[in-house]
Amino acid sequence: AQKITQTQPGMFVQEKEAVTLDCTYDTSDPSYGLFWYKQPSSGEMIFLIYQGSYDQQNATEGRYSLNFQKARKSANLVISASQLGDSAMYFCAMREANTGTASKLTFGTGTRLQVTL
Amino acid sequence: DTEVTQTPKHLVMGMTNKKSLKCEQHMGHRAMYWYKQKAKKPPELMFVYSYEKLSINESVPSRFSPECPNSSLLNLHLHALQPEDSALYLCASSRNRGPSNEKLFFGSGTQLSVL
Repeated sequence: AQKITQTQPGMFVQEKEAVTLDCTYDTSDPSYGLFWYKQPSSGEMIFLIYQGSYDQQNATEGRYSLNFQKARKSANLVISASQLGDSAMYFCAMREANTGTASKLTFGTGTRLQVTL
Repeated sequence: DTEVTQTPKHLVMGMTNKKSLKCEQHMGHRAMYWYKQKAKKPPELMFVYSYEKLSINESVPSRFSPECPNSSLLNLHLHALQPEDSALYLCASSRNRGPSNEKLFFGSGTQLSVL
């Protein structure tokens, strides 16, 4: 069963506007972490933001915020004031704590964001 | 220094060649990872090293052979690859493999083409 679902293959947003990238997840582990990474065309995966399953408040990192709705198992990324440099592929990922000796970061299929003038 | 450095950036090899991918980090991280990423797909975990010991092998074919000579270096030895092995190979590191909030730091990857 797919653990991380990103239903938007591609998104367009106008410069300076806000955009929300969707992510839903599935786990039975009460302790888990959710991550968003950005992958520009250069290939590097850049960490953006983290949300822990026990965190009471939504995570924020500069222009990035995470809309965490635990009961709905969603962890949407909100990018405010979009910039041309935000054009990239965005991956949602999850790490479950109760994985024994393993430490796996499972990625969703990604959303390609294009910022337009 | 918060970088993970991968070399080479691009590699073209024939199916009979032997080559190696290299990864280096100086952040004191004790967990290192190899991921494979096909075009327009998410990264897929191949191997995890924890404290220089192989802790996860995701049923990767033996033509891929990882090596962790010390805590800063991670190699991936390639031998008798197939064209379908062409992909972006990403190295990552983290402080350790335990807590759920451990983020991974990724390198820029090696774009591998097998002819």
